[in-house]
Amino acid sequence: SYELTQPPSVSVSPGQTARITCSGEALPKQYACWYQQKSGQAPVLLIYKDSARPSGIPERFSGSSSGTTVTLTISGVQAEDEADYYCQSADSSATYVVFGGGTKLTVL
Amino acid sequence: EVQLVQSGAEVKKPGESLKISCKISGYNFTSYLIGWVRQMPGKGLEWMGIIYPGDSDTTYSPSFQGQVTISADKSISTAYLQWSSLKASDSAMYYCARRGAGAMLFDIWGQGTMVTVSS
Repeated sequence: SYELTQPPSVSVSPGQTARITCSGEALPKQYACWYQQKSGQAPVLLIYKDSARPSGIPERFSGSSSGTTVTLTISGVQAEDEADYYCQSADSSATYVVFGGGTKLTVL
Repeated sequence: EVQLVQSGAEVKKPGESLKISCKISGYNFTSYLIGWVRQMPGKGLEWMGIIYPGDSDTTYSPSFQGQVTISADKSISTAYLQWSSLKASDSAMYYCARRGAGAMLFDIWGQGTMVTVSS
């Protein structure tokens, strides 16, 4: 079955830039999106279509794509950004939704 | 305001049946697909399946095919996830989420329903 691979954890100091990657063989064909999930809360859509940002999402969150990898970049990380981040896409036939395993962002 | 409001937490015994709900408001129920996502304690998000409320056409993740049933009632703008015989391993948080228009993403999420299965 198709999988998206994320690093389990990323740590950064406040004000620094955090980058979280997500790799999958179908990513050149299918858009990816990113969700933020804070402890005890439902996920929130952060980025869609690789790099688009829904209204209300701060500009410090951005997305990019290169080949089989998409990247979520958080510029000027704040303490409130500490959360789990999930990428999500679809298989090459766009039939099945797939989530990455999630990355825990720790703000030191 | 678009809202997906899920039914409350459930505590069940193994072998029991269960149906949880996701009530939609703020938009035309049949205009967007609704998906269900499982999150086991301390674990990541797992896509279970998705339904088009207009005609109840449903696609299941291979991992959940035959394990659950997803349905929808247009008359009351509500989607459902049900089990015929629960197992302890079904204990998890379950989220419904609206699939965005023309894209494989989930733009609005319910608050989640916690299901605990224990003897």
